[in-house]
Amino acid sequence: DGGITQSPKYLFRKEGQNVTLSCEQNLNHDAMYWYRQDPGQGLRLIYYSQIVNDFQKGDIAEGYSVSREKKESFPLTVTSAQKNPTAFYLCASSVSGLADNSYEQYFGPGTRLTVT
Amino acid sequence: AQTVTQSQPEMSVQEAETVTLSCTYDTSESDYYLFWYKQPPSRQMILVIRQEAYKQQNATENRFSVNFQKAAKSFSLKISDSQLGDAAMYFCNFCASDGKLTFGTGTRLTIIP
Repeated sequence: DGGITQSPKYLFRKEGQNVTLSCEQNLNHDAMYWYRQDPGQGLRLIYYSQIVNDFQKGDIAEGYSVSREKKESFPLTVTSAQKNPTAFYLCASSVSGLADNSYEQYFGPGTRLTVT
Repeated sequence: AQTVTQSQPEMSVQEAETVTLSCTYDTSESDYYLFWYKQPPSRQMILVIRQEAYKQQNATENRFSVNFQKAAKSFSLKISDSQLGDAAMYFCNFCASDGKLTFGTGTRLTIIP
């Protein structure tokens, strides 16, 4: 089955620790995205990547980092510099994001991160 | 920068009735796509319907249809014959030429049996 997997579903960390959220897709999509969802708000874009070895900051990139070494994988690291890391994180992918916005984004099941 | 506004934080509808969710957006672009996604309690984001800005014809997908008014920058979603499984958060989204999605804050839809 083709799709997007995120692991783990729930993640708990102590304040001051970095944590990496996994996102893998087997849809052969070029573009991948990370969003953060807080209660009462829509999704906010953290980082996105249109092709391997390239990524751009979204609207709320501070305190986060990403890498895109493989087409299938786009891990997100929440660093200790992120002031309010507790949130629901969603990963998405699309066929192509560069100069072709005709394809919808497919979303993973999400990871709920709690930092105490 | 694009903005998407959903002015109805919550809506409810009787089962089998019709409901319309509102969405307005602001952009200077002429070519873009608009989407409605639903997020049920499982939190899995699911595409409901999409509309190409260059098409005048409103998109339909079974019981779901949109009223797209480009000049007014309005993109409402109509759900006909509402079913219990339609209960979810509904997000209106704008996709710009760079592929970035901008989300509205969502409308929580409750179906009353």
